Amino acid sequence: EPEVTQTPSHQVTQMGQEVILRCVPISNHLYFYWYRQILGQKVEFLVSFYNNEISEKSEIFDDQFSVERPDGSNFTLKIRSTKLEDSAMYFCASSERQGWRDRYGYTFGSGTRLTVV
Amino acid sequence: SQQGEEDPQALSIQEGENATMNCSYKTSINNLQWYRQNSGRGLVHLILIRSNEREKHSGRLRVTLDTSKKSSSLLITASRAADTASYFCATDRIGAGNMLTFGGGTRLMVKP
Repeated sequence: EPEVTQTPSHQVTQMGQEVILRCVPISNHLYFYWYRQILGQKVEFLVSFYNNEISEKSEIFDDQFSVERPDGSNFTLKIRSTKLEDSAMYFCASSERQGWRDRYGYTFGSGTRLTVV
Repeated sequence: SQQGEEDPQALSIQEGENATMNCSYKTSINNLQWYRQNSGRGLVHLILIRSNEREKHSGRLRVTLDTSKKSSSLLITASRAADTASYFCATDRIGAGNMLTFGGGTRLMVKP
């Protein structure tokens, strides 16, 4: 069964450093997402991406964050200058066309645990 | 309560028993989805129920949706120790674009 792949599975970074989290969505999917889950808290929406541009973003997704689809397969989340409160599990997800999403939902990756020290 | 609130927050049962988890939400939805998360791992999509559906089955899972009460339930029948995980409901809200709104989850422990 097709999977959404995320790398690395765990990243430790110093406060103030830039990090790039990588995702390979399912190849025929058109919609891409990033969510995060701070330890012990709810999964929160960050951003959605369609047709090579951001379609929606939450209040969390401020100027420190950016997303990119640099080639036909990767989808990245960059945090420019990490803060302690950015420590969380970051999930990438993808979905096919709208009708598919309404019937079958999203496919999530296994996440990247980001620890900012 | 916030959109997508599950209860109970934690549930402990014996293997073989049924587990019922509930989810309430506030706004109109296109669909409601249930996800499972093993400790510290990824989210696994379990089942999606559309706003015009009332009940859906998938294996040992049964999901109901009551749009008049803005609530859903997930029933796992004949539970197994391997069902131990956190279960989240997530709503695809009308007018909220492409985002899912997750609840706080129910931590299910199934004792062998």
